[in-house]
Amino acid sequence: AQTVTQSQPEMSVQEAETVTLSCTYDTSESDYYLFWYKQPPSRQMILVIRQEAYKQQNATENRFSVNFQKAAKSFSLKISDSQLGDAAMYFCAYRNTGNQFYFGTGTSLTVIP
Amino acid sequence: GAGVSQSPSNKVTEKGKDVELRCDPISGHTALYWYRQSLGQGLEFLIYFQGNSAPDKSGLPSDRFSAERTGGSVSTLTIQRTQQEDSAVYLCASSSQTGTNEKLFFGSGTQLSVL
Repeated sequence: AQTVTQSQPEMSVQEAETVTLSCTYDTSESDYYLFWYKQPPSRQMILVIRQEAYKQQNATENRFSVNFQKAAKSFSLKISDSQLGDAAMYFCAYRNTGNQFYFGTGTSLTVIP
Repeated sequence: GAGVSQSPSNKVTEKGKDVELRCDPISGHTALYWYRQSLGQGLEFLIYFQGNSAPDKSGLPSDRFSAERTGGSVSTLTIQRTQQEDSAVYLCASSSQTGTNEKLFFGSGTQLSVL
């Protein structure tokens, strides 16, 4: 079974600074998809960014970018110019070809004004 | 509706009672997932419905948990004889699965508290 590990239960960043959230996963598959989801206090999970494993180019979405290292099975999220609204729980997720999603335990991000 | 709708948003029940949690997915979405999120934990997979296929029930923690999806749309998660360890947020998500990179759309969850 696939597993997703987020080794940072909590992180903090100064407003306008950059922070990187770590994620590693374990799989024997070659074709899969990776996601970062944000969960604010409202509880509703929001997609931040996604990456196809077959693409070597790292995905970017405005201030959010990933560092995808397939051989190392690493998928970190970088948030640039952090804003107060970025404060939330962040979950890394892995989706296999069977459309099954596996989530990490999350990283709680605090943004300090 | 515009998004995934879950009801109730909060449910308080007594140990031993049965509860039903409802999920109304985005119209046209063929895939529906239930997850459980305990305090300080990640999302624990419970069950997955895909179209008319038999559901993947491999995540259900015990036979007290069951789920159904009527007409390929609304889903109900039932927990019988609730226990205190069932207290958690139950999240529902749906996906259209029409592409190879479909994302999940989540509801706001049901916070279940078993006293």
